[in-house]
Parts: sequence; C-alpha cells; structure tokens
Amino acid sequence: DTAVSQTPKYLVTQMGNDKSIKCEQNLGHDTMYWYKQDSKKFLKIMFSYNNKELIINETVPNRFSPKSPDKAHLNLHINSLELGDSAVYFCASSVGRGNTIYFGEGSWLTVV
Amino acid sequence: DQQVKQNSPSLSVQEGRISILNCDYTNSMFDYFLWYKKYPAEGPTFLISISSIKDKNEDGRFTVFLNKSAKHLSLHIVPSQPGDSAVYFCAASAQGGSEKLVFGKGTKLTVNP
Repeated sequence: DTAVSQTPKYLVTQMGNDKSIKCEQNLGHDTMYWYKQDSKKFLKIMFSYNNKELIINETVPNRFSPKSPDKAHLNLHINSLELGDSAVYFCASSVGRGNTIYFGEGSWLTVV
Repeated sequence: DQQVKQNSPSLSVQEGRISILNCDYTNSMFDYFLWYKKYPAEGPTFLISISSIKDKNEDGRFTVFLNKSAKHLSLHIVPSQPGDSAVYFCAASAQGGSEKLVFGKGTKLTVNP
C-alpha cells in the first residue's frame, strides 16, 4: 500500500512529444508537490498545490502544466519535450503547508 | 547559488562506528531543517528534523545538531549499520515549515560490515 505513487516509473520519449506523469497519494494529505532532480543531483521544487489550488510555481517553463483534479491527485503534463527535461521527477505530499513532505518513488524521464 | 551545501559527496564508515554527515547553509532566513535518506531507485524518505529554536534533536540512533551561528548542521548515526548505506540529503526551509524545501546535493554513505 504505497503512500505516494507515481506512474510511469520509467519513460523514454522523443523530443517534441507530449507526456504526462500521474501521481496519487492515499495519506489524506491536502498539499502535493512536484520536485525535479536534475543531472547535477539537485532536488528542486517545481510546483505545490494546496487543496487543488496552485501555491508555488518556481519559474518552471509553461510547457509544464500541473493538474490537480482532487486533493489526492497531482498530475504533471509536459508539452514539446526537450532534451534538458531529462530528469527524475518526484511527486510528494504533506499535511498542510508546513509539515514533513513524503515523496513518491520518482519517475525517470529520458528525452532522446 | 547553492543555499544548502553538502561538501562531502561520499563517506565510508565501519559498521558499529559513528557516521557524521555535515551540511552548511547560507540563507539566514532558514529556520527549519530536515534530513532525508534515499536508496537507489526510490524516493527520499524523511529521517529527522530540527527547528531553529533547538540545537539538538534525537530519534533513536539518529541525532541532528544545529549550530545557528555557524550556519551548520550535522547528522550523527550511532551505531552505523549496513542498512544505513544510502544517500543523505540535507534540506532547509524558511518560515517554519516544509514548504519550498531547498535541498543539498546529498552525501552517499557507505557502511561497511
């Protein structure tokens, strides 16, 4: 019973394609996040949603569009994929906006 | 600009000994600090945290120390076990919460049997 689950775990796609990564949490949390771990291994926040409302958008290109249909889901859609989008994307959740963040297992995206 | 720095990319210790992982930060607004552990092909898992009103927090074999004047924190693992082998990330945030965590690059700990 995975707490924060994201699919797919591995994704290889060509430049220019559009792809989505789905995330679901069964912890009853009301805040969800997308983090990106780039080739330099830095984990950086991309987006944060609280009760389906966007609260953080860290200057991410508008090719990246998060969608939160409900509190338990936060999907990431990426248009016109570029080579530089290759990274590991982590979904996460927390209770409220000021508590411990729990991460999913990550989605390894490779753009060729 | 790296606001959270883990200057040792790797650390190797013997089983049963102490592991000390270090982290420095530059942003004086940070007031909440966390350590996460990450195994290969898995997401980071929360280990321990400390707020700036404390200088020490202990949880079993794990203790985090905070030196605000030096903008330095450390994670002590005693005794170290082979299962502790993982990458450890230091993270910090401002305004007392986990929102908008800033992570270091991580230190890979290897505990040798």
